[in-house]
Amino acid sequence: SAVISQKPSRDICQRGTSLTIQCQVDSQVTMMFWYRQQPGQSLTLIATANQGSEATYESGFVIDKFPISRPNLTFSTLTVSNMSPEDSSIYLCSVRGRLAGETQYFGPGTRLLVL
Amino acid sequence: KNQVEQSPQSLIILEGKNCTLQCNYTVSPFSNLRWYKQDTGRGPVSLTIMTFSENTKSNGRYTATLDADTKQSSLHITASQLSDSASYICVVFDRGSTLGRLYFGRGTQLTVWP
Repeated sequence: SAVISQKPSRDICQRGTSLTIQCQVDSQVTMMFWYRQQPGQSLTLIATANQGSEATYESGFVIDKFPISRPNLTFSTLTVSNMSPEDSSIYLCSVRGRLAGETQYFGPGTRLLVL
Repeated sequence: KNQVEQSPQSLIILEGKNCTLQCNYTVSPFSNLRWYKQDTGRGPVSLTIMTFSENTKSNGRYTATLDADTKQSSLHITASQLSDSASYICVVFDRGSTLGRLYFGRGTQLTVWP
């Protein structure tokens, strides 16, 4: 299993500012992902964080808005840039191995409110 | 279009009672189906993973079923407890791309009353 921690656990931010969310895993993992979960909605994949290279973004998400770093196999950051109230959401870090049958683990999430 | 639909959207039951949550999916090619439990303010935690050939899988008081022909799954909770109050999310993993991807349902919000 993998234990994932995220910082901060929650924050209230002003529009136009940026927030960087940190994700730390207790073991080296191959695949690391960032998700967004809006109230009453399913989880939406933002991007796959690739170690040592640029993240792979899903449709509707761009690097300028959600820059991601992954300097090693246990750590990643997601920045929410130039925030607006529409960015208010829960942001979740997630990890798994490469095999199809492997469990995917999720962090506790970062609850963001943009005023 | 790959989709995962769950029902009901929300459910209230009394402590000690049983309940069944439903999941229908159209994801293809199918690799496996997962049920997650998400407590308020926490990330989802895996309950079961079922592959194409598995019809039933249990994890304590949780029993998941899968009918890959009709693309339906259910999660049965026996003798519910207050701690079962949470959102239950059905997730389907496809293998259509090199590394596969997960498709999430919106979840069923279960509330267990004393």
